[in-house]
Amino acid sequence: DAGITQSPRHKVTETGTPVTLRCHQTENHRYMYWYRQDPGHGLRLIHYSYGVKDTDKGEVSDGYSVSRSKTEDFLLTLESATSSQTSVYFCAISVSVGNTEAFFGQGTRLTVV
Amino acid sequence: LAKTTQPISMDSYEGQEVNITCSHNNIATNDYITWYQQFPSQGPRFIIQGYKTKVTNEVASLFIPADRKSSTLSLPRVSLSDTAVYYCLVGDGLGRDDKIIFGKGTRLHILP
Repeated sequence: DAGITQSPRHKVTETGTPVTLRCHQTENHRYMYWYRQDPGHGLRLIHYSYGVKDTDKGEVSDGYSVSRSKTEDFLLTLESATSSQTSVYFCAISVSVGNTEAFFGQGTRLTVV
Repeated sequence: LAKTTQPISMDSYEGQEVNITCSHNNIATNDYITWYQQFPSQGPRFIIQGYKTKVTNEVASLFIPADRKSSTLSLPRVSLSDTAVYYCLVGDGLGRDDKIIFGKGTRLHILP
């Protein structure tokens, strides 16, 4: 399995608090992604990174920010958590985008109460 | 990015061959077709990828007709453990797109 670790695996937080999720890889892959998955919506891309300090928005980026100061770490921050951000969050990595596979982490289950 | 359309759900029985078809009418010349599998409470897992004709690995086969406007994922002799969501993706083989976008996938339910 690809070396990709998400932390924490589970978190419960209160509305209005900031939350940071971490994705760590040991594969030295260029691309990293954050997705959220909710019933009936499949996987939706939040933000992605195509290199250190190079990030861009995905399909559902409002209320989220990201940072990538090192190749191996991609952080997702919920600036002020809301109940609508209760979800399962997946991180993924890939060497490139076109004809190579992406590897996914085990997910973080976030509950905002 | 070429849009894909696949059935929302399918049921089949153990031991049967299952074929899941994906439509991608606007596929571009450089696009590859990739399928992922996702079990409950896990992240998606790459199954197979192809450009044209037929690709086979230890898990599945992928059939792509000459016009490439559709593709069919074939799972031979499924078991209960093949119950999962299957996603079809189309992406630029030259890597000019920076993002990987998933649709809603096909929820496959295998019955005993």
